Amino acid sequence: KAGVTQTPRYLIKTRGQQVTLSCSPISGHRSVSWYQQTPGQGLQFLFEYFSETQRNKGNFPGRFSGRQFSNSRSEMNVSTLELGDSALYLCASSLEALRETQYFGPGTRLLVL
Amino acid sequence: AQSVTQLGSHVSVSEGALVLLRCNYSSSVPPYLFWYVQYPNQGLQLLLKYTSAATLVKGINGFEAEFKKSETSFHLTKPSAHMSDAAEYFCAVDGGGYNKLIFGAGTRLAVHP
Repeated sequence: KAGVTQTPRYLIKTRGQQVTLSCSPISGHRSVSWYQQTPGQGLQFLFEYFSETQRNKGNFPGRFSGRQFSNSRSEMNVSTLELGDSALYLCASSLEALRETQYFGPGTRLLVL
Repeated sequence: AQSVTQLGSHVSVSEGALVLLRCNYSSSVPPYLFWYVQYPNQGLQLLLKYTSAATLVKGINGFEAEFKKSETSFHLTKPSAHMSDAAEYFCAVDGGGYNKLIFGAGTRLAVHP
């Protein structure tokens, strides 16, 4: 069974631009969570989607948003990029039940200049 | 609120030596606990998961962890380190709500010949 895939793997943007990252979950997984990983803040939860609905959200500004499609694929968007948004963005998928194991993708590394 | 503390941001061992990575948690509910490993430029790979079924949890690659409620600990061990174990290790607790993980700051393991 194929794992979680994320595209693109690397991205360079400039301040003020916006960016969209994509995540395809493991087949059969309907929950998708997003995390931001930075050297200073570590791994932080952004949000979780299930059945096209955001069920949980972390403490990030409204510039960070996401959505999920009917095939469970998910996208996250960051508008008005700031230098501090440079990070590895990780997507994880799991079965629909609560407290299920999350399986992570390889991440998208975003550099904001 | 749930939280995780990993003692020691860097641990160095010799090949063949015991690996011990420390994790303490705080949780207002019976916790689900996880250990993940991250190799350079990769996502997170699940090593093992505690769900209250057994206090000693065996994972992949010879790793295991013991849940000690009285000490609020979930330390990761491996009897004999291999060079391939060099990576960053993250302890995580189920953050409550929908599929939200709270991660520790991580421990970077170095293995010397």
